[in-house]
Amino acid sequence: QQPVQSPQAVILREGEDAVINCSSSKALYSVHWYRQKHGEAPVFLMILLKGGEQKGHEKISASFNEKKQQSSLYLTASQLSYSGTYFCGPFSGTYKYIFGTGTRLKVLA
Amino acid sequence: DGGITQSPKYLFRKEGQNVTLSCEQNLNHDAMYWYRQDPGQGLRLIYYSQIVNDFQKGDIAEGYSVSREKKESFPLTVTSAQKNPTAFYLCASSILGQPQHFGDGTRLSIL
Repeated sequence: QQPVQSPQAVILREGEDAVINCSSSKALYSVHWYRQKHGEAPVFLMILLKGGEQKGHEKISASFNEKKQQSSLYLTASQLSYSGTYFCGPFSGTYKYIFGTGTRLKVLA
Repeated sequence: DGGITQSPKYLFRKEGQNVTLSCEQNLNHDAMYWYRQDPGQGLRLIYYSQIVNDFQKGDIAEGYSVSREKKESFPLTVTSAQKNPTAFYLCASSILGQPQHFGDGTRLSIL
């Protein structure tokens, strides 16, 4: 079953914050986050490991709650360059890799 | 530089025709994947392979076929049975548990 992301879409002004959630029905070992710009391939942002470890990229951070099988991506003081579609990639221990449903983020000047 | 090469970048298919999308990686990754992306939509898994000469169906395998004769190569054939092939096709590779590395994609359209 495909991991569910929320919200499906969000529009921000530059400097505003956003949170993107990813929820899986399976037990997870880790979660990967990606950003895809229009017309391009997804780009890996960060990996979240068991233990709730947070990793940062630019002003983007994330958390992972393995008990709830959920991860959240935090975008702080958003920039125009943050626009794109964000996907989570929960890793449940198998080679079958299913991306989350995706969240479209638009940052306006 | 290591990476994934997909070709062609754009491909047009005539009705009733099979077409093959190429994917080559020099990252020495065991696993390779094919995803389909429709406009404004997410990434759906077509096929994946965790080792040479073995592959498994993903969520939308109907109308597609693959082969994995070499570790570096994982071509995807879109058969005439796939009635709505217009999409952006992405090939990826990875090591188990690690993030996916993507090629630049192939845009397939129907003539």
